[in-house]
Amino acid sequence: QKEVEQDPGPLSVPEGAIVSLNCTYSNSAFQYFMWYRQYSRKGPELLMYTYSSGNKEDGRFTAQVDKSSKYISLFIRDSQPSDSATYLCAMSRSGGAGKSTFGDGTTLTVKP
Amino acid sequence: EADIYQTPRYLVIGTGKKITLECSQTMGHDKMYWYQQDPGMELHLIHYSYGVNSTEKGDLSSESTVSRIRTEHFPLTLESARPSHTSQYLCASSPGPGNQPQHFGDGTRLSIL
Repeated sequence: QKEVEQDPGPLSVPEGAIVSLNCTYSNSAFQYFMWYRQYSRKGPELLMYTYSSGNKEDGRFTAQVDKSSKYISLFIRDSQPSDSATYLCAMSRSGGAGKSTFGDGTTLTVKP
Repeated sequence: EADIYQTPRYLVIGTGKKITLECSQTMGHDKMYWYQQDPGMELHLIHYSYGVNSTEKGDLSSESTVSRIRTEHFPLTLESARPSHTSQYLCASSPGPGNQPQHFGDGTRLSIL
């Protein structure tokens, strides 16, 4: 069983919709949680970085971490066609040499 | 925006050739990583480095080797390429110490004929 499971998608929504992207994990040692956005033929780009449980907001993006349920989410408000990409969750533990474990990614398409 | 560069971006080459994928970063990051990514699949860590003269194998077994002679440079070498090496290779770096997030290059898409 994988340590990190990500909702597989693909996901297609109309412009302006609220999008929810989700990952679950099994390793309770994970304390650092990231969301990356990856456009086609590009490398992953860091969107959000959070430590432990709670919410973090940055513009239209909100990252939510629930360590008790081992569940993280990324919400995108007022989605735009430019948000069409693959979204990867990633997480790491303290003392892990900065190594991260990634989900498989969810491909999102926002239709105008 | 992260300053991490990978060359070449695309490479199509025959079986048996020796290949070196280049990765350079200008941020002075101590840690560097190589990942393999196939379409629709998770990133698999194949090598990482804590700093100069430090390299470790990652979670996914790989026939490639790496070196870290300079902080900014982390090349990956395949001595004899095979079709099974066809994949996208992503390089990343992060500042030390602690668990700072990684910054990625745009990858090298490698096809072995």
